[in-house]
Amino acid sequence: DIQMTQSPSSLSAFVGDRVTIGCRASQGIRNDLGWYQQKPGKAPKRLIYAASSLQSGVPSRFSGSGSGTEFTLTISSLQPEDFATYFCAQHNSYPVTFGPGTKVEIK
Amino acid sequence: EVQLVESGGGLVQPGGSLRLSCGASGFTFSDHYMDWVRQAPGKGLEWVGRIRKKTNRYTTEYAASVKGRFTISRDDSRSSVHLQMNSLKTEDTAVYFCARVDDSSGYTLADWGQGTQVTVSS
Repeated sequence: DIQMTQSPSSLSAFVGDRVTIGCRASQGIRNDLGWYQQKPGKAPKRLIYAASSLQSGVPSRFSGSGSGTEFTLTISSLQPEDFATYFCAQHNSYPVTFGPGTKVEIK
Repeated sequence: EVQLVESGGGLVQPGGSLRLSCGASGFTFSDHYMDWVRQAPGKGLEWVGRIRKKTNRYTTEYAASVKGRFTISRDDSRSSVHLQMNSLKTEDTAVYFCARVDDSSGYTLADWGQGTQVTVSS
């Protein structure tokens, strides 16, 4: 199975800050990666697919980059509604595997 | 608007069975693979399994943790997907989400239901 790790596991930031979340795959997955946002008690929501393509309707302050084993999700200017947990997931091979999540909290 | 609505969750004893359902609307259900993903209390997301569409012979994939105990099926005429869970263990306690797979975007999970709670306890 492909193992997914994320860093950091949590972070605190101010509204307006630039935030970067890292995701690493244990083997190359090309760009077969998605990023998902989850708020407490809610279903996950897809933000990014194919590592860098923005889901329709998602604000442009979200961006994704990377290929192979190293990936990044960036929020260019953190907004109050962005406080949530973010998961990466590889969709390259079975089983689909998720990272452990990064919790973004208000500083 | 895509809608996915799970049902069938509840409290079940270890060793018992439960059948979850997910009703879909707002898209051509038969054109899409469908996944189940679960989330144990306070934990991350765990992929449970996938069912492909008719042109792929409705074949399935499962996580090792559920293989042989869980079965995914679908009814395209009713736009629904099901998760039959047998020989349930306490570690199967989780919120179970169904999700629409988008094969035009690297098979990522484009839409999710709100989830249904499954609690396995004596």
